[in-house]
Amino acid sequence: DIVMTQSPDSLAVSLGERATINCKSSQSVLYSSNNKNYLAWYQQKPGQPPKLLIYWASTRESGVPDRFSGSGSGTDFTLTISSLQAEDVAVYYCQQYYSTPSFGPGTKVDIK
Amino acid sequence: QVQLQQSGPGLVKPSQTLSLTCAISGDSVSSNSAAWNWIRQSPSRGLEWLGRTYYRSKWYNDYAVSVKSRITINPDTSKNQFSLQLNSVTPEDTAVYYCARGPPPFYMYSSSWYWFDPWGQGTLVTVSS
Repeated sequence: DIVMTQSPDSLAVSLGERATINCKSSQSVLYSSNNKNYLAWYQQKPGQPPKLLIYWASTRESGVPDRFSGSGSGTDFTLTISSLQAEDVAVYYCQQYYSTPSFGPGTKVDIK
Repeated sequence: QVQLQQSGPGLVKPSQTLSLTCAISGDSVSSNSAAWNWIRQSPSRGLEWLGRTYYRSKWYNDYAVSVKSRITINPDTSKNQFSLQLNSVTPEDTAVYYCARGPPPFYMYSSSWYWFDPWGQGTLVTVSS
């Protein structure tokens, strides 16, 4: 099984500043035959289900603001919120789908 | 757009069966471009994928190893919904349960697995006597 870890556990960022969340997989999720990284990112607000933000590590889901971006390859990935807005306060999860799906433990983002 | 509406009891006694239903609107449970999943979330286990059902000329199921001996996911084409049954529950099965849609195996890039979107609203199920 692929184990996902995230760092930090939580972070507080000033409005308008950049937030960076890291995700690491216990083995590579890059499929060499198609050069795709099998990784997704989700946002979960209190009392709501997770919402898909990004898949294939860097493809933004339709309707997701362009301040959200994903990067990385192999085992190390990053979700960046370029200019934090109040509505971005949430817990963010990464998920690998290279094998049976598994999720990271989450990173809580707050306003400083 | 696709919407998923969950229903089912929020309290189950130990050793009994947890049963939840997910009603689909905006898509078909028999769609060739979807798989229908159950995922749960608890403080101790985080987000955990449990299983899926999908239709490709016949019905298929995949289940997580951790619950494989206790889980059944069934489609109901007459009501356009799918269900989760988890047998012999213990307090460890206390969680918020979600249904979610995802692409089916080999939908693109020869992948067996994909992301989940959208999700149902979630159902808190407590296992307690």
